Amino acid sequence: DAGVTQSPTHLIKTRGQQVTLRCSPKSGHDTVSWYQQALGQGPQFIFQYYEEEERQRGNFPDRFSGHQFPNYSSELNVNALLLGDSALYLCASSSPLAASLTYEQYFGPGTRLTVT
Amino acid sequence: GDSVTQMEGPVTLSEEAFLTINCTYTATGYPSLFWYVQYPGEGLQLLLKATKADDKGSNKGFEATYRKETTSFHLEKGSVQVSDSAVYFCALRSGAGSYQLTFGKGTKLSVIP
Repeated sequence: DAGVTQSPTHLIKTRGQQVTLRCSPKSGHDTVSWYQQALGQGPQFIFQYYEEEERQRGNFPDRFSGHQFPNYSSELNVNALLLGDSALYLCASSSPLAASLTYEQYFGPGTRLTVT
Repeated sequence: GDSVTQMEGPVTLSEEAFLTINCTYTATGYPSLFWYVQYPGEGLQLLLKATKADDKGSNKGFEATYRKETTSFHLEKGSVQVSDSAVYFCALRSGAGSYQLTFGKGTKLSVIP
């Protein structure tokens, strides 16, 4: 059973460019969350997608947007990249049952984004 | 708003030593509490969890007790191994209607033979 997968593994972009990161949830999961983890820091919640809609959003600007597809996979888009957007971007998935009980989220290995 | 404070690392221990990583939190309502572990080059893995006061979460020899009176969820292990070397994150979910996890900054543990 494949866990949460993310692509690409690493990415280098220039300031001002746009980037798209991709995530496939664990089998049986329908909810996808995105987190930004700066070097030496804990992950920070960006937003969560459920039933193809953004259900909750953290304290991130509108430059960060997302999408969820009918097969539950998800994309994170970041426009007008800043140097401060350099971080590890983590995707996490969960199932409806987990969401209502213990809220166990399964994390992917992340995409390392470097903005130069 | 919600926040999690962890003891700063890095923490270096000899194999078989006792481990404590302190975690305190601030949250509205009745949060669920979690410890996640991140091994080098990997994503976060859920280590243990507790969903209400006085619950004890345990896994792989690690334990943590949800203490509402002290708003704490300290991680402990009686005898660490080299394979426990990783970064440990304390996290909370503030309650029904909130879907985000709020994480601490992480504590890096190195266990030497």
